[in-house]
Amino acid sequence: DGGITQSPKYLFRKEGQNVTLSCEQNLNHDAMYWYRQDPGQGLRLIYYSQIVNDFQKGDIAEGYSVSREKKESFPLTVTSAQKNPTAFYLCASTGGPMDTEAFFGQGTRLTVV
Amino acid sequence: AQTVTQSQPEMSVQEAETVTLSCTYDTSESDYYLFWYKQPPSRQMILVIRQEAYKQQNATENRFSVNFQKAAKSFSLKISDSQLGDAAMYFCAYRSASFYGQNFVFGPGTRLSVLP
Repeated sequence: DGGITQSPKYLFRKEGQNVTLSCEQNLNHDAMYWYRQDPGQGLRLIYYSQIVNDFQKGDIAEGYSVSREKKESFPLTVTSAQKNPTAFYLCASTGGPMDTEAFFGQGTRLTVV
Repeated sequence: AQTVTQSQPEMSVQEAETVTLSCTYDTSESDYYLFWYKQPPSRQMILVIRQEAYKQQNATENRFSVNFQKAAKSFSLKISDSQLGDAAMYFCAYRSASFYGQNFVFGPGTRLSVLP
């Protein structure tokens, strides 16, 4: 079955550490996105990529980094510069301009301990 | 920049009754898409319904329908015959139809409770 897989489901990080969240899709989608979700707020865009080897900052990119070396993969690194990283992170993808719907992974809950 | 507003942080409905969730948006574009996504306790985002701005006819998916008022920039979701499984967070979302504006803009969400 085609879909988006995020791993791990739960992640704990010590302060000062970098951590990487995985997002893999087998939908052959060109565009991929990372969103952050905090309680009482909607989804906020961190980074997005419309094609391989290209990505753009979203609204809250500070303290995060991404890469897009393969069409299927769009990992997100939460760096130690991110002051408040505890949140729920969602990865999504779309097939292109004519494919309007976003497909989402199941999310990763990151907690700083 | 586009914005999406959901003015009802929480709503409740009796099982089998009808409820309407509100959404307004702000844009200067004429061609775009609007969506309602559902996020149950599992936190998996599920598409409920979509609307193309160029279509005047309101979208319908089984018990879910929208009231799309383009001039008023309003996009409400009506859930008929509410079921316990409809309890979730509901997010309204906007997406530009232009190639360079493909990102989604989400509202803050409305938490819907369904009372037995």
